[in-house]
Amino acid sequence: NAGVTQTPKFRILKIGQSMTLQCTQDMNHNYMYWYRQDPGMGLKLIYYSVGAGITDKGEVPNGYNVSRSTTEDFPLRLELAAPSQTSVYFCASRTNYGYTFGSGTRLTVV
Amino acid sequence: ELKVEQNPLFLSMQEGKNYTIYCNYSTTSDRLYWYRQDPGKSLESLFVLLSNGAVKQEGRLMASLDTKARLSTLHITAAVHDLSATYFCAVEPRRGSGAGSYQLTFGKGTKLSVIP
Repeated sequence: NAGVTQTPKFRILKIGQSMTLQCTQDMNHNYMYWYRQDPGMGLKLIYYSVGAGITDKGEVPNGYNVSRSTTEDFPLRLELAAPSQTSVYFCASRTNYGYTFGSGTRLTVV
Repeated sequence: ELKVEQNPLFLSMQEGKNYTIYCNYSTTSDRLYWYRQDPGKSLESLFVLLSNGAVKQEGRLMASLDTKARLSTLHITAAVHDLSATYFCAVEPRRGSGAGSYQLTFGKGTKLSVIP
């Protein structure tokens, strides 16, 4: 099992550009999450999904969109990048034993 | 709104000393998690605490949970340099009937530096 895989690891975007952060898991977990981590802060929930076709907003969803067409994949879309979206993004999945986090995507918007 | 407060936020300690990190939270909780994060890395799971009075130990780290006080502690015994990292607690609130998904709410983290 590869666990939770995120791509890309690093990305620089210009203001107004769009991109998709990819997240895939091979553990057949229903629950998946996107968090962002700003310097000196804990993680904040952007969006989550309880299964294929079902998504919902977290604490900081503005400026982001998600989809969950399969159990494995949970991409995060930024439509009009803004400097405030400069952050490290973590994808995670959950079982009864706990959460598994991906390695993160470091995004800079300039 | 669930609030999770960790203190201290910064901790500099000498090797060989003991210290405790505190995690307070504002609602009833099903589970409490402790994670370690090294600079530029992802989160590494340390402990999952499931019930009142739960205590778990791994090496020089011991975590405990008091659900009545809504308090968890992470105790460091005889610190070594390799323990230098940022430690996060995260709370998974108790789900009521008809509630949504499981979600984690994180504290801001405690940055630990162990000095030789």
